[in-house]
Amino acid sequence: DTGVSQNPRHKITKRGQNVTFRCDPISEHNRLYWYRQTLGQGPEFLTYFQNEAQLEKSRLLSDRFSAERPKGSFSTLEIQRTEQGDSAMYLCASNPPTGDPYNEQFFGPGTRLTVL
Amino acid sequence: AQSVTQPDIHITVSEGASLELRCNYSYGATPYLFWYVQSPGQGLQLLLKYFSGDTLVQGIKGFEAEFKRSQSSFNLRKPSVHWSDAAEYFCATTSGTYKYIFGTGTRLKVLA
Repeated sequence: DTGVSQNPRHKITKRGQNVTFRCDPISEHNRLYWYRQTLGQGPEFLTYFQNEAQLEKSRLLSDRFSAERPKGSFSTLEIQRTEQGDSAMYLCASNPPTGDPYNEQFFGPGTRLTVL
Repeated sequence: AQSVTQPDIHITVSEGASLELRCNYSYGATPYLFWYVQSPGQGLQLLLKYFSGDTLVQGIKGFEAEFKRSQSSFNLRKPSVHWSDAAEYFCATTSGTYKYIFGTGTRLKVLA
């Protein structure tokens, strides 16, 4: 068990550019989540996948954001036409099929995005 | 709607002193409650969790938390803080579905 991994760990981009982040969940975890954490705040839910199906998107996820999980394994989060307000830490989490009543989620180290 | 409030943004304690971090939740039924710790450059690590049963929950790294329904609280405690405990602590809740709701966090500073 190597844990949830995220790449890149840091990304600096200019306003208006597109960026893509990748998340590799723990093997055999079929559920995957994206959260956004801005400075001084707790993580906020963005979206949730069960296998390859995207089952919920937060209203925080504007139409400039798109997330995919094409084969039910790794996931990508793309932000088009980045804005300075997109600067944040983007966290990915995963957990196995239901069975745990707590629904414990295992978090990756995050990708820190800075938009200049 | 569910929510979690962490009233203390920053807390400073001396090494060896006791610690209590406050968390208040808003939810009609019994919530699932969690405490996570986040060190710089690290992801969120689960310290402990509660749903039912004994209201005093033991976690990792010597932490414990007590669920008090009458006060809608789930405060995190540690009897003796170590310098390595300096980090940001998040209380979170879920209704048992997939979405976590986090508090704004409490940043802990430990004085030598």
